Amino acid sequence: QAVVTQEPSLTVSPGGTVTLTCGSSTGVVTSGHSPYWFQQKPGQAPRTLIYETTNRHSWAPARFSGSLLGGKAALTLSGAQPEDEADYYCLLLYSDGRPVFGGGTKLTVL
Amino acid sequence: EVQLVESGGGLVQPGGSLRLSCTGSGFTFSSHWMHWVRQAPGKGLLWVSYVNSDGSFTHYADSVKGRFTISRDNTKNTLYLQMNSLRAEDTAFYYCVQQGGGDSWGQGTLVSVSS
Repeated sequence: QAVVTQEPSLTVSPGGTVTLTCGSSTGVVTSGHSPYWFQQKPGQAPRTLIYETTNRHSWAPARFSGSLLGGKAALTLSGAQPEDEADYYCLLLYSDGRPVFGGGTKLTVL
Repeated sequence: EVQLVESGGGLVQPGGSLRLSCTGSGFTFSSHWMHWVRQAPGKGLLWVSYVNSDGSFTHYADSVKGRFTISRDNTKNTLYLQMNSLRAEDTAFYYCVQQGGGDSWGQGTLVSVSS
């Protein structure tokens, strides 16, 4: 089974910009993997932030954007806010039909 | 507003069984593929299973294949996960997730497998 990799932790200053990445053990991540991004705050269920690489859900602030970058899926947060401090998970869909989550990135806004 | 409400979690002994339910509202349940995702306390997310919109196609993670069965009753807007031969490592919060539309998540139900 493929392994999806994310940075374990990242720190961003309030108002700053940070990019989280999502790589695959099988090689280059493409739009065919339909990358998803999820946000989870402590004690809460996850919420879907980005679907199919670049599409932001209606609840998600415009400061979040999804893309493909350097062979990986990427989630960029521009103008970080204290309320963006959370765990972020990516998910990739593989040709065997099985979705695989990354290990998650703990984002600190400090 | 989309709502997904899981139920059926609890404490069960190793080797035991549980059936989880997830009732959806605020959307056309029968039009959406549905998933179960789990999260062990303090750990990351793990995809467990999905079922297509009419229930005719299912898929499972290797770790649960042969032990868990996903199903749905579109007349009741309800998704199920029958879990048999439970192991300690199945201890987790179990979330149901709608695919498409809002890709909404339920609030989760906790399954604890322990003697």
